[in-house]
Order: sequence, then C-alpha cells, then structure tokens
Amino acid sequence: EPEVTQTPSHQVTQMGQEVILRCVPISNHLYFYWYRQILGQKVEFLVSFYNNEISEKSEIFDDQFSVERPDGSNFTLKIRSTKLEDSAMYFCASSEDHPEAAEQFFGPGTRLTVL
Amino acid sequence: KNEVEQSPQNLTAQEGEFITINCSYSVGISALHWLQQHPGGGIVSLFMLSSGKKKHGRLIATINIQEKHSSLHITASHPRDSAVYICAVYWRSGNQFYFGTGTSLTVIP
Repeated sequence: EPEVTQTPSHQVTQMGQEVILRCVPISNHLYFYWYRQILGQKVEFLVSFYNNEISEKSEIFDDQFSVERPDGSNFTLKIRSTKLEDSAMYFCASSEDHPEAAEQFFGPGTRLTVL
Repeated sequence: KNEVEQSPQNLTAQEGEFITINCSYSVGISALHWLQQHPGGGIVSLFMLSSGKKKHGRLIATINIQEKHSSLHITASHPRDSAVYICAVYWRSGNQFYFGTGTSLTVIP
C-alpha cells in the first residue's frame, strides 16, 4: 500500500542552524501539507501546497519557514534559523484531491530537537 | 479562527464497551476529519465527512452541520483501539485545518 515517507525520523540541531525536513508524498497525490505538534500539544497546520505553490499558510509559517517540491517527488520543509520553540514533531501529509473532498495520508513524522 | 473542542479529553473503557467521542466547532466548515494518533505518534485518517454518517468496520462517524457537531463512535471496543482520537475541521474561508486537542482513549481488557 502506498505511504508517505519522511526523513530523518529524528533530527537534533543547534539553535540558529538551518534544517531541512524531507517528505515523499504518495505519487499520484496533488495536495501536500506540513503540520507540527509540540510535545503534549495539539497538531497545528503550517502550510498547504498545490500546483507547485503555497495555497495557504498559518500564522506560524513565518519567514523562517519555506517549502519546496524540488524534483516532483520530494516535498521539503526548511527552517532557516531554528529556535528552541521549533522543537516539535513535524508531519507531512498528502491527499489526492482538495481537503474538502479527500482524506489525508500522514507520514510517520520527524522529531526535531533544537538545543 | 475556528475553535475546535473535543470531549471528553480522557476516556477509559472496558473492552466491549460502546464509546462516543464528541467534537464541536465554532464556525461553519466544509469538511471534518477524524484522525487516530497511535502511542508512537503516527497519525492515521479514519474518516472525512461533510454531511451525514460514515461507517468503517466498528467505527461510525456522524456530523450535524447545523449544530456544528460531530461524533465518533466505536462499537465493541478493543484494547487495540487505545489511541488519541483527533477531530480536524477544514474551514473554507480560512482555507486551512484546525485541530482539536484530542481525546485519549484507553480500553482495558
């Protein structure tokens, strides 16, 4: 069964460093998402991506964040200068149709720890 | 902004019990998703609803658009159902998802 994959599973970085989190969505899916979940808190929407551009972003997704689909299969989230409060689990998801019409498939997550 | 509230926050049930988890939201939405988060952290989509009722095996999800309320029912609960159940609403005006804080379910054998 097709699945969303994410690498790495755990990333440890120093404050101020850049990190890139990688995701491979399901191949025929058209909509892509990043979410984060700070330990013990609820899942929060970061950004959605469709047709090679951001379709929506939350207030969390500031200038420190960027997303890219560099080669038609990978979908990346970059954090330019990490802060302690960026420590969280980051989930990638994809869906074959618009969020109103299709379920999302989630990756296993990348745990980001900023020291 | 859409506020999403789930109840109860925590639920312990005996194996075999019928379980109901509730989700209420504050603004009209176009779709509601029920998700299951396993103890290891992985998230699985259970249902996507925009109206009415859906059933998969022992799981049933209903939504009442007028009352801005959805319920997730688990019949004949089993210890493997132990997980956090999350309600997420898609708000067309905001064009993004808002998540509830989750209901932590423990089913005791």
